[in-house]
Amino acid sequence: SQQGEEDPQALSIQEGENATMNCSYKTSINNLQWYRQNSGRGLVHLILIRSNEREKHSGRLRVTLDTSKKSSSLLITASRAADTASYFCATDGGGGADGLTFGKGTHLIIQP
Amino acid sequence: SAVISQKPSRDICQRGTSLTIQCQVDSQVTMMFWYRQQPGQSLTLIATANQGSEATYESGFVIDKFPISRPNLTFSTLTVSNMSPEDSSIYLCSVGFPKGGTDTQYFGPGTRLTVL
Repeated sequence: SQQGEEDPQALSIQEGENATMNCSYKTSINNLQWYRQNSGRGLVHLILIRSNEREKHSGRLRVTLDTSKKSSSLLITASRAADTASYFCATDGGGGADGLTFGKGTHLIIQP
Repeated sequence: SAVISQKPSRDICQRGTSLTIQCQVDSQVTMMFWYRQQPGQSLTLIATANQGSEATYESGFVIDKFPISRPNLTFSTLTVSNMSPEDSSIYLCSVGFPKGGTDTQYFGPGTRLTVL
């Protein structure tokens, strides 16, 4: 099955800096989604990017998708302490009918 | 979006017992899914809960160990049977919407299970 792999596995930056996380996957996709998880709690949906899109923005978040390289990146600008969390990418076959395949995640720590 | 609740939020259970986790959604949804997140790991799909038919299990997960019910379009249960310490995980349900609507999947808050 296809699987996303995040890079780096852990990232520590100073508050106010930008954080970039990368995700790679193995097979063709219809959509790629990014989620945030705080301290082992439920997942919060951040953004979905479709396979025919190259870039998407939402507030301080910017997601890119390169289907030729089977990779995606999540950029968080002007980071805040509250952004400290684990971030996961997830892929599916599209249409909401498929369960998601998750990457291993990036644990982001924002130092005050 | 959808509001999803799970019960219980956490539990500590003895080896050999079973626990049933409930997932309730505030709107009718076609697709419901169950995931497991082992300590320090990512999420793994257990099964798709199908309304009116048997769940569809992923490789490595079987119905005898993780029986699932889906009596209607807003509710599902996952039972973790004959538990062992290796079943200690967070179990999360999620919902998706049919093609033509949003493809986003929304997750419940999770059930943190510890097996002694």
